[in-house]
Amino acid sequence: AQSVSQHNHHVILSEAASLELGCNYSYGGTVNLFWYVQYPGQHLQLLLKYFSGDPLVKGIKGFEAEFIKSKFSFNLRKPSVQWSDTAEYFCAVNAPQQAGTALIFGKGTTLSVSS
Amino acid sequence: EAGVTQFPSHSVIEKGQTVTLRCDPISGHDNLYWYRRVMGKEIKFLLHFVKESKQDESGMPNNRFLAERTGGTYSTLKVQPAELEDSGVYFCASSQDMWKIRGPTNTEAFFGQGTRLTVV
Repeated sequence: AQSVSQHNHHVILSEAASLELGCNYSYGGTVNLFWYVQYPGQHLQLLLKYFSGDPLVKGIKGFEAEFIKSKFSFNLRKPSVQWSDTAEYFCAVNAPQQAGTALIFGKGTTLSVSS
Repeated sequence: EAGVTQFPSHSVIEKGQTVTLRCDPISGHDNLYWYRRVMGKEIKFLLHFVKESKQDESGMPNNRFLAERTGGTYSTLKVQPAELEDSGVYFCASSQDMWKIRGPTNTEAFFGQGTRLTVV
């Protein structure tokens, strides 16, 4: 069965620190990969996505993620976090073989950034 | 353009009662999904509509849950009777269906704010 594992449940950083959130998936075929973010009181928003091509993808707000196929990983990075990055981050996958397949999510990582 | 909207934002009901959650997808989006997050757990898929048809309902926990999407527009998710373990946040998402036009195409799913259901 497909699954997504996020390594960190809660990450606490100071402003300007670098961020890396781990995500590994288990699936035997081609996948689409996503990172979603949920800011306090807001809806889930897409941060970035990987469908094909360059394995290093850049998203909004200075985030990027690298797809490493051999490691089944899609880690999220940001060189310098801000207080406004405080949120919950979700890694997700789906299979592109057909249109509109459902997402499988990890358990989420809560990021707390202190100013 | 309006996003995905869900009603109500919060609901507190007693065990055994019925609750109906509503989701209005983005206009023109054929795909509509329901997900649920129980506290401390991952967001889990419940079911997927393509227009008014249920494409995949493999994630529905049991027959106390009934989802409809009459006319292929908004969707409702009814829980009857509610149990304590049904508490959680119910998310709705929608996406375009470009399959007919472009073949297999990957499109982004847009999420609503969720409905927090508490069963006491």
